[in-house]
Amino acid sequence: LAKTTQPISMDSYEGQEVNITCSHNNIATNDYITWYQQFPSQGPRFIIQGYKTKVTNEVASLFIPADRKSSTLSLPRVSLSDTAVYYCLVGDITGGFKTIFGAGTRLFVKA
Amino acid sequence: ETGVTQTPRHLVMGMTNKKSLKCEQHLGHNAMYWYKQSAKKPLELMFVYSLEERVENNSVPSRFSPECPNSSHLFLHLHTLQPEDSALYLCASSLKGQGRARGTEAFFGQGTRLTVV
Repeated sequence: LAKTTQPISMDSYEGQEVNITCSHNNIATNDYITWYQQFPSQGPRFIIQGYKTKVTNEVASLFIPADRKSSTLSLPRVSLSDTAVYYCLVGDITGGFKTIFGAGTRLFVKA
Repeated sequence: ETGVTQTPRHLVMGMTNKKSLKCEQHLGHNAMYWYKQSAKKPLELMFVYSLEERVENNSVPSRFSPECPNSSHLFLHLHTLQPEDSALYLCASSLKGQGRARGTEAFFGQGTRLTVV
């Protein structure tokens, strides 16, 4: 199983950049890294996905070092509405039981 | 709106009841999933249907029974549940078999909040 380790929680203030790091030491050669965001009582929502180096979209950046044993989700200038749980997922979700969601990181953004 | 619709959004049922959860997607996806999320616990994958074939998961009690009549619809039939089965049940869909090794993005529904009394 592609296991991931993330901080349980993080606090930030509005307007700050937030970086959440995920460790995935046993990532397989073919595995992609995907991040999801989940608000209370809602389903997770895809944020960003990458394989190596850096990926950027309109909401976040994903930094992946050369050894791919970790990855960092970067949220620029967070707002109160970014308060949520963020999950790092390694592998192909269509692989079903070989890919699991971890506990996620609970981000709390304060005014 | 993710394109994955779950009904009902909330359900309260007794332990002797039989009910069904419904999930529908019209995104052209060919894989569908049921997840369970208990309070303050990680998402637990219950069942996977890929290309309309079910991937077994023996760790799920038989009181949960999935059904996938076609690639757009997924059901979870519930009977004789226990109070500890109270949770948020999430349906998701994605594409499979794209011909390359890739972590495919999944689209989740809003979930059904189930309470067993």
